[in-house]
Amino acid sequence: DAGITQSPRHKVTETGTPVTLRCHQTENHRYMYWYRQDPGHGLRLIHYSYGVKDTDKGEVSDGYSVSRSKTEDFLLTLESATSSQTSVYFCAISEGGYTDTQYFGPGTRLTVL
Amino acid sequence: AQKVTQAQTEISVVEKEDVTLDCVYETRDTTYYLFWYKQPPSGELVFLIRRNSFDEQNEISGRYSWNFQKSTSSFNFTITASQVVDSAVYFCALSSSNTGKLIFGQGTTLQVKP
Repeated sequence: DAGITQSPRHKVTETGTPVTLRCHQTENHRYMYWYRQDPGHGLRLIHYSYGVKDTDKGEVSDGYSVSRSKTEDFLLTLESATSSQTSVYFCAISEGGYTDTQYFGPGTRLTVL
Repeated sequence: AQKVTQAQTEISVVEKEDVTLDCVYETRDTTYYLFWYKQPPSGELVFLIRRNSFDEQNEISGRYSWNFQKSTSSFNFTITASQVVDSAVYFCALSSSNTGKLIFGQGTTLQVKP
């Protein structure tokens, strides 16, 4: 199993509060990704990183920011959480870019009330 | 534009039946990659297979087999002699270096009844 952990695994928060989700890998892979999974939408890419301090937007990046100060950690921040951001968030890693296999973390279930 | 279609939303079979999950993709790229992932009820996403567009050889891994046909833009997944533990949501996905994105299908929920 790929060494990927996500924290927290579950979180309930209120609208308007900031939330940070953490993804940690022990594989030293260059690429890291954040996805959200919603019924009827499958998995959609929020942001990704191709190296330390190198990040870019995915298809549903509005309302989210990311940071990567170390190879092993990729943080996803919701500056002011909204109910539409209630979802399951998955982190993934890959050694190469998109054409390489992505391995996923266990997921974080976020509920915004 | 790239697109992955898994037309079967839900499939229900009885244990030991064979079942095929369909995946049809759209891309204009000549080099692309296809993937299957499994998401069991516990929620994690498990990688099953990666196939590049130049390798149309079918693959078999135990009870699992994959049929890649470029002529019909399909990458179907067959489970032989299904088991209850195969119950999960299965996702087909497509990527290419030109688009720089992994596109997932909507997923097919497979229920295997004892």
